[in-house]
Parts: sequence; structure tokens; C-alpha cells
Amino acid sequence: SQTIHQWPATLVQPVGSPLSLECTVEGTSNPNLYWYRQAAGRGLQLLFYSVGIGQISSEVPQNLSASRPQDRQFILSSKKLLLSDSGFYLCAWSTRRSGNTIYFGEGSWLTVV
Amino acid sequence: GIQVEQSPPDLILQEGANSTLRCNFSDSVNNLQWFHQNPWGQLINLFYIPSGTKQNGRLSATTVATERYSLLYISSSQTTDSGVYFCAVEGFNKFYFGSGTKLNVKP
Repeated sequence: SQTIHQWPATLVQPVGSPLSLECTVEGTSNPNLYWYRQAAGRGLQLLFYSVGIGQISSEVPQNLSASRPQDRQFILSSKKLLLSDSGFYLCAWSTRRSGNTIYFGEGSWLTVV
Repeated sequence: GIQVEQSPPDLILQEGANSTLRCNFSDSVNNLQWFHQNPWGQLINLFYIPSGTKQNGRLSATTVATERYSLLYISSSQTTDSGVYFCAVEGFNKFYFGSGTKLNVKP
């Protein structure tokens, strides 16, 4: 069966520090991968999605970047965190065929202080 | 992108009551899913329902794709049903989420 894991689960970082959140999927190949952010406990905002290695689409201009160095690995990064980057970050995957289902990781709570 | 609207935004129920949550979407979609987000933030898949009706225990869902809406029914609600319910639609290789319905079931 397919599983998705992301880490770290919680993170407290000072303003201006770098960020790296990692996500891996197991049990499937060539997945579509996504990073979402949820602020204030409501609404999921799509940040990035990827349909293949090295292929990243950004949905919202911001202080963050994403990379996909391997087929089932998706990384969310920042060089210098802002207070507004605080939130709940969710990695997700889906198959590539149309009409597919999306599955989420456990999420990472980021607090920028 | 596709616009997804959920209603009501907040709902308070007494344990044992029934409720209906609605999801409207602005364009033709390839699928529609309902999720429950628990207090720890985990998003649990409830239904994959691009059209028709499905039931799972006390929960059921109906999607009328031609009229661009879906309904989630919760019967005999329990305190463990509390949390935020999201619908999501897929289009253009992306998933678009509504802003959710926050449900609070009181004992």
C-alpha cells in the first residue's frame, strides 16, 4: 500500500533562518506531488505542485521554494523565514491519471518567532 | 482556477442531531473528495465521489456534477465528528479546496 511521510512534525524557527521540510512517498511511482499551507486552521492554499523530477509549478509568489530531487521526494525550502511563513504545511500525492484521489501526509507545524 | 465554496462556514450541533454540508464548484471537474480534518490536523479521506451517492456508516455523500454541487450528510452526530470538513475538486492536474465547514458537536 502507498504511504506518505513528512518531517519534521513541528518546528520553531527564528525569523531569517532557513527552512527545509521533507516529504517522501512509498509504494507508488511517478506520483504528482503537492505542498499546501493552512493558516489559522482554515483553508488549504496550494503552494507548489510537481508532475515529475525537477518539474515544479509555483502557485503563489512567496518566500518559499520547492524541489523534487527524486521521483518520490518533495522538499519545501526557504532561505530566510518571515513571520508570515508560520502555519501548517501539508504534503500530498496523487496518481497521474485523471479523476484521481489526493492523499495527505501528517503535516508539519511551523512557528516562526 | 476552479472556485469551491462550502456552506455553512460554522455549525454547532447537539449530539444525535443530523446535518447537511454543501460544496459548490464553478467548473466541470474530474472528481470530488470530502475530507475530515481532526484536531491534530490530519486530513482523513471520507469519500471519493465525482458523481452519484455513497454511504459509509453514518456518513453519506451525493454529488450532482451537472449542477456543480455536492452534499455531505452526517446522521446521529457524535462528539468525535467535530472538526473541519473540506471538499476538494480536481481540475487541470490540481486540487482546489473549499474553505471548510467547522463542525462542533456538543455532548
